[in-house]
Amino acid sequence: QKEVEQNSGPLSVPEGAIASLNCTYSDRGSQSFFWYRQYSGKSPELIMFIYSNGDKEDGRFTAQLNKASQYVSLLIRDSQPSDSATYLCAVWSGTYKYIFGTGTRLKVLA
Amino acid sequence: GAVVSQHPSRVICKSGTSVKIECRSLDFQATTMFWYRQFPKQSLMLMATSNEGSKATYEQGVEKDKFLINHASLTLSTLTVTSAHPEDSSFYICSASGGAGANVLTFGAGSRLTVL
Repeated sequence: QKEVEQNSGPLSVPEGAIASLNCTYSDRGSQSFFWYRQYSGKSPELIMFIYSNGDKEDGRFTAQLNKASQYVSLLIRDSQPSDSATYLCAVWSGTYKYIFGTGTRLKVLA
Repeated sequence: GAVVSQHPSRVICKSGTSVKIECRSLDFQATTMFWYRQFPKQSLMLMATSNEGSKATYEQGVEKDKFLINHASLTLSTLTVTSAHPEDSSFYICSASGGAGANVLTFGAGSRLTVL
């Protein structure tokens, strides 16, 4: 059973702090990794994708991938209350199957 | 950027009626679309994978006669909930791959179905 694991949270951070969201996956053949943000009652929206080991930065967001450890993370710098949402980690393993984690709920406290 | 349009956003129907939800990729061709269902405070549950011009592949436990999926063109997939019952009330979300980058999934806004 291919799995993607996330801590459900909630993860609470003060405004302006760095939020660190983590995800592990079981399929070593996974090729593409995604972070989505989902506000309550809305559909997921793409934040970042990463294909290669290392870091990828986009504005306040940094995705980190370590294929040897089967670990992908998302850092949010200067967290804002508007970042409060559920963050979904997703993995694509090359068979048109996207495996989603259950999501981590982030609360940014003003 | 890649846009997936989903309609209707909300629908309320009586038990026993059928409801059709449309999913369109507006600025890219989507050979593969995915239909998800999400209950409150729960994760996304993949219902089926829809491929243009062929039959959909349903996940285990999803009734294909209950949830009819048609992917008639490279930009349109539809989900019909037949003979809906209150337990079918849920948030249905479609998505398509390939618009925003290789293997990137773009989601529609979702359709909230309430069956009375």
